[in-house]
Amino acid sequence: GAGVSQSPSNKVTEKGKDVELRCDPISGHTALYWYRQRLGQGLEFLIYFQGNSAPDKSGLPSDRFSAERTGESVSTLTIQRTQQEDSAVYLCASSLVTGTNQPQHFGDGTRLSIL
Amino acid sequence: EDQVTQSPEALRLQEGESSSLNCSYTVSGLRGLFWYRQDPGKGPEFLFTLYSAGEEKEKERLKATLTKKESFLHITAPKPEDSATYLCAVQAVGGTYKYIFGTGTRLKVLA
Repeated sequence: GAGVSQSPSNKVTEKGKDVELRCDPISGHTALYWYRQRLGQGLEFLIYFQGNSAPDKSGLPSDRFSAERTGESVSTLTIQRTQQEDSAVYLCASSLVTGTNQPQHFGDGTRLSIL
Repeated sequence: EDQVTQSPEALRLQEGESSSLNCSYTVSGLRGLFWYRQDPGKGPEFLFTLYSAGEEKEKERLKATLTKKESFLHITAPKPEDSATYLCAVQAVGGTYKYIFGTGTRLKVLA
């Protein structure tokens, strides 16, 4: 497709389970970003990739959160031992290169609900 | 600490009633300021990038302006289809390319 694709669009799971969220960036985009959007709050930065490397992981809330990117394409965000406070929409964005003159383009997110 | 504050939180306008949304920011050095539109259940959709004070960008009924402390998104003669949440974000100079977002302004335009 032409845009950033995220799957699943919705995920409901029980507290304590692990979840994997997937992001397919726009083809050719070397930079990829993960954000979290809690209800009524702004987007919080989690991590960004340049190619397959993650120069900035400063937004990951705890060691339960990890992310990887392979083939300079698909990225996976993994949350282990989920907690109720992890409930949020997880958004992925990509840009052609890292920098201001290439804005980030967002997918529609994965809505994660922890029971 | 880099910070973005948007006001008002919510705004209701009659169709055709022009208004402005505010985005105030504090950042060590501004690399760029971004406006996005977000519809319910969707990801943010890019509108504008502004780089330096005095810059203006326009698209249809929207016009974004930038000063050293704030940005305004002016909406001229809005239509119901302009109803959405408008998000402002900044990118700071200095090594990381993350966006720092405000909490948005929810705009409702009534027919």
